[in-house]
Amino acid sequence: NAGVTQTPKFQVLKTGQSMTLQCAQDMNHEYMSWYRQDPGMGLRLIHYSVGAGITDQGEVPNGYNVSRSTTEDFPLRLLSAAPSQTSVYFCASSSRSQAEAFFGQGTRLTVV
Amino acid sequence: DQQVKQNSPSLSVQEGRISILNCDYTNSMFDYFLWYKKYPAEGPTFLISISSIKDKNEDGRFTVFLNKSAKHLSLHIVPSQPGDSAVYFCAASAPYTGRRALTFGSGTRLQVQP
Repeated sequence: NAGVTQTPKFQVLKTGQSMTLQCAQDMNHEYMSWYRQDPGMGLRLIHYSVGAGITDQGEVPNGYNVSRSTTEDFPLRLLSAAPSQTSVYFCASSSRSQAEAFFGQGTRLTVV
Repeated sequence: DQQVKQNSPSLSVQEGRISILNCDYTNSMFDYFLWYKKYPAEGPTFLISISSIKDKNEDGRFTVFLNKSAKHLSLHIVPSQPGDSAVYFCAASAPYTGRRALTFGSGTRLQVQP
C-alpha cells in the first residue's frame, strides 16, 4: 500500500525557476496539506485542502500555489524559487474523522 | 511566536531506561495532541495521541500524559530501545481548524544508547 507518495525526492533549482512538487495519496482522504521543515523550527503548514476544489493558506503560504482538482492529488507550485525556500517539504493526508495525518517521505529542495 | 514548544533539542538515555520527552503549548484552543516519530530521510510517522478530555493515553511502551492546567504534555517510553532513536515531534490541533491543520514543535532528538 503506497499511502502518500511525493516526487521528486531531491531537487536543485536556480533562483527564479519554477517547479511543481507532486503529492498523491491512495487512502481516499479528504484532507491534504503541505508542510516545510527547517532546522530548529519543526514543520510549518504552507497550504491545505479539505476536498477537491477547496484550498486555503497555512502559516507560511507566500511564494507557493496549490490546487486540488482530484481527491488523490495535491501539487505544490513554486512560482519563482528563492534561496529562502530551501527546505524539506512534506505532504500529508488525513481523513475527516481523524486528526492523525499520514506523511510522505519528503522532497529535499535546494535553491541556489 | 511558537504555540507548541519542545525546549529540549536532544535527549540521551540508556537502553532499558525510561525516556521522557516534554512539550508545552500556549494556545488554550488546542484540544487534541499528537506525537510523531521521524527517522532521517523519512516522513514523520504517527505514534500516539491524546484528547484534552483525558489526562493519559497508553499504547504499549508509549504513554502520553496531558496536564491542561500547566499546558504541558509528555511522552514516556518504557523501556527505551535503540530503535527508538529518532526525532520526536509534538503536534497540536484545534477544533476551529476542523482538524485539518497541525501545529508542530521543533522536535527532540532522542538517542538510546545500547
